[in-house]
Amino acid sequence: KAGVTQTPRYLIKTRGQQVTLSCSPISGHRSVSWYQQTPGQGLQFLFEYFSETQRNKGNFPGRFSGRQFSNSRSEMNVSTLELGDSALYLCASRPGTGGLGYGYTFGSGTRLTIV
Amino acid sequence: AQKVTQAQTEISVVEKEDVTLDCVYETRDTTYYLFWYKQPPSGELVFLIRRNSFDEQNEISGRYSWNFQKSTSSFNFTITASQVVDSAVYFCALSRSGFGNEKLTFGTGTRLTIIP
Repeated sequence: KAGVTQTPRYLIKTRGQQVTLSCSPISGHRSVSWYQQTPGQGLQFLFEYFSETQRNKGNFPGRFSGRQFSNSRSEMNVSTLELGDSALYLCASRPGTGGLGYGYTFGSGTRLTIV
Repeated sequence: AQKVTQAQTEISVVEKEDVTLDCVYETRDTTYYLFWYKQPPSGELVFLIRRNSFDEQNEISGRYSWNFQKSTSSFNFTITASQVVDSAVYFCALSRSGFGNEKLTFGTGTRLTIIP
């Protein structure tokens, strides 16, 4: 079956703009998480959605937001972009029930560059 | 707070050598999960193994093996007879259990280079 799909793969934006990234989870998976990966901070948790509700949130400013649709697809939005937002944004999905007996499956990520 | 330490930033070995990647974690929880992920140059994080805190059995999967020791809070990963395709960044991760608590806390990763 198809894996986790993230679009676009690459994106270049200028400071002050906003951006929306998309993630389509594995069919049947109801939980979608987002992570930011930078050389300086490593992999950091942004948020997790389950059945259209944010279930957990990392320590990021309010410029970072997300949502999940009824088909489990998720989007994350970053407003007023800063140079430090340049990163690889990874989405992960899992069934969402049964605890972590099911590991996360990650997508290939969206590489966002702010100029 | 949870923390994962991967002290080895980069490791290079010659093909067919064995290599062990170290992972030390900190948590106050009695129930938790440990993971290893592989990140090739394509960027995708590939799931390798999940272990819960109640299962200290070592595991072997082909050339891969994992040694989980609660007494030393370590979850080390060994690749036997390494191959060039094993070159990647490897991440150890820790998660709490419980609905809504399952975010992954990652280590800083170990870049493994297998020299042909």
